[in-house]
Amino acid sequence: RKEVEQDPGPFNVPEGATVAFNCTYSNSASQSFFWYRQDCRKEPKLLMSVYSSGNEDGRFTAQLNRASQYISLLIRDSKLSDSATYLCVVKGPSQAGTALIFGKGTTLSVSS
Amino acid sequence: NAGVTQTPKFRILKIGQSMTLQCTQDMNHNYMYWYRQDPGMGLKLIYYSVGAGITDKGEVPNGYNVSRSTTEDFPLRLELAAPSQTSVYFCASSLRLFEDGPTVGELFFGEGSRLTVL
Repeated sequence: RKEVEQDPGPFNVPEGATVAFNCTYSNSASQSFFWYRQDCRKEPKLLMSVYSSGNEDGRFTAQLNRASQYISLLIRDSKLSDSATYLCVVKGPSQAGTALIFGKGTTLSVSS
Repeated sequence: NAGVTQTPKFRILKIGQSMTLQCTQDMNHNYMYWYRQDPGMGLKLIYYSVGAGITDKGEVPNGYNVSRSTTEDFPLRLELAAPSQTSVYFCASSLRLFEDGPTVGELFFGEGSRLTVL
């Protein structure tokens, strides 16, 4: 099992749709979880952290399921501007710089 | 508000040439990182630094070297470039290593350097 796995997509959805991405991780001792957004040919930027109780930021909701070792990102009322690649990032138990593991990303394309 | 600045943005190298990718940050971050991103792949850590004078290898350090003489600068040196080093390189920085809490330890990335080795 790969350390961090994401469905690469692409997910093609119309404006206004609700879309969900999942990400699974292999190390049960992983401590912190994040979603980053990367626009085409741009650098990744933090979208949101994922907390144990789940958290919401506007149209975006992140959930963590430690028992099944996956995190999810739900986007409601999709906008054209949401088109990007979404990277799942997991921090393992190490305090070293190698602790962060990036998934390969899930590509979302929102069309009008 | 510059953040993390990388140069050059684009470079074409011939096999065997050497070059340095420059990275500087103005946020007074202790932690700095170099990643490479190949098409369809996740970011792979090359080297990282937890402060001036301290560097350590990441997942894919072969063929690269780094130094950290100041808090602000973290250059990446490619020696004897090979086609396998064709990639997009991202420098990043963070205030401290990730801990629990809202946006604690957020990575700030530079705009990337696209390197082609022919």
